[in-house]
Amino acid sequence: EVQLVESGGHLVQPGGSLRLSCAASGFTFASYWMSWVRQTPEMGLEWVASVKHDGTEKYYVDFVKGRFTLSRDNANNSVYLQMNRLRAEDTAVYYCVRDRRFLETLPDYFDFWGQGTLVTVSS
Amino acid sequence: QSALTQPASVSGSPGQSSTISCTGTSSDVGAYKLVSWYRHHPGEAPTVILYEVDKRPSGVSSRFSGSKSDNTASLSISGLRADDEAHYYCSSYAGSDTVIFGGGTKLTVL
Repeated sequence: EVQLVESGGHLVQPGGSLRLSCAASGFTFASYWMSWVRQTPEMGLEWVASVKHDGTEKYYVDFVKGRFTLSRDNANNSVYLQMNRLRAEDTAVYYCVRDRRFLETLPDYFDFWGQGTLVTVSS
Repeated sequence: QSALTQPASVSGSPGQSSTISCTGTSSDVGAYKLVSWYRHHPGEAPTVILYEVDKRPSGVSSRFSGSKSDNTASLSISGLRADDEAHYYCSSYAGSDTVIFGGGTKLTVL
């Protein structure tokens, strides 16, 4: 059974940092792209970032570029999202998702989602 | 990039059909057959119900179907059931290794 378990979300002040973790199990982690998607009441779902199965390619949505860094550890079946210079508008539930690719390259769909971890940015 | 446009809400009676639209541009929905749909019940993880416009993952009911015309994709649900009441989101590849979602549609089963 595929499982994705996020952790690390909590209350942080604007300008602060947070590191989210996602522990994966039930599939060959090193063979899949992984992504983070967040959900806010105002915007709904937003794609945040994706990392290739071997970690050699990473892509980010414009509004997190330069602030968020995605990494993965295939030895420990984990993916991480380092979030710096957090803003109030980053407040969201962050989901770790397994990322399916069309022809191994183009983003196709997200077939498994974790339960999410809540990040609140507020003073 | 602006979010794909979905109606905020739609409704239908049990047994009827309902359709949710998802409008983008010639740079995303109109450019690729990489549109997917997700169902989200509050408190649960979202689940994919369609991908590549009209393909159903294993285990998803044939009551769910998808189509696309120009810059608009559509999700149709036939034989509405009470547990179809949820939020539905569309998503599309938007070029340059980016993904864009719609704002979400709340389906109410009356």
